[in-house]
Amino acid sequence: QKEVEQNSGPLSVPEGAIASLNCTYSDRVSQSFFWYRQYSGKSPELIMSIYSNGDKEDGRFTAQLNKASQYVSLLIRDSQPSDSATYLCAVRMDSSYKLIFGSGTRLLVRP
Amino acid sequence: EAGVTQFPSHSVIEKGQTVTLRCDPISGHDNLYWYRRVMGKEIKFLLHFVKESKQDESGMPNNRFLAERTGGTYSTLKVQPAELEDSGVYFCASSRLESGIQYFGAGTRLSVL
Repeated sequence: QKEVEQNSGPLSVPEGAIASLNCTYSDRVSQSFFWYRQYSGKSPELIMSIYSNGDKEDGRFTAQLNKASQYVSLLIRDSQPSDSATYLCAVRMDSSYKLIFGSGTRLLVRP
Repeated sequence: EAGVTQFPSHSVIEKGQTVTLRCDPISGHDNLYWYRRVMGKEIKFLLHFVKESKQDESGMPNNRFLAERTGGTYSTLKVQPAELEDSGVYFCASSRLESGIQYFGAGTRLSVL
């Protein structure tokens, strides 16, 4: 079983819709959770971090964390074609600084 | 503020040759990390520097890989001799001391033929 699992996609949504990206992790001691966006050939760019159960909102983005279910998600409201990218979920345990990544979900927003 | 800079952006070498990748972290970031993504796989951790010291090198695949960070500024990752399975994208990231937020460079794409 992979430590961090994501559906590779592509997830295709129409412009203006809500895109829902999901991630599950296996290690219960994981404490910090991150969503990165990566355009082809570019650097992974941090868009959200979340550390406690519940929702965290930042503009059109909402991260949701449920530690009991070992599940973290990212919602993108009013999706735009410019949101088309690969979204990487990463987790970190407090005992280490290293990030453990999922393989990423490719999102396509259709105009 | 300049981001994390890596060069070269691409490197094509033959099996058995040596390649050195360089990473310049964001100014003031004491933590520096190397990661690698091989074809079809997820990004995987290689090692972590705090200033010039190796804090965690648990992800280094074997002794053909040597990372250095002399003076606690830029870092190099040398692969010697390169093997076919070393092909992939090598990412560098940096963060402030005690911060979990890592900022990534665009990566070096290494192709070993």
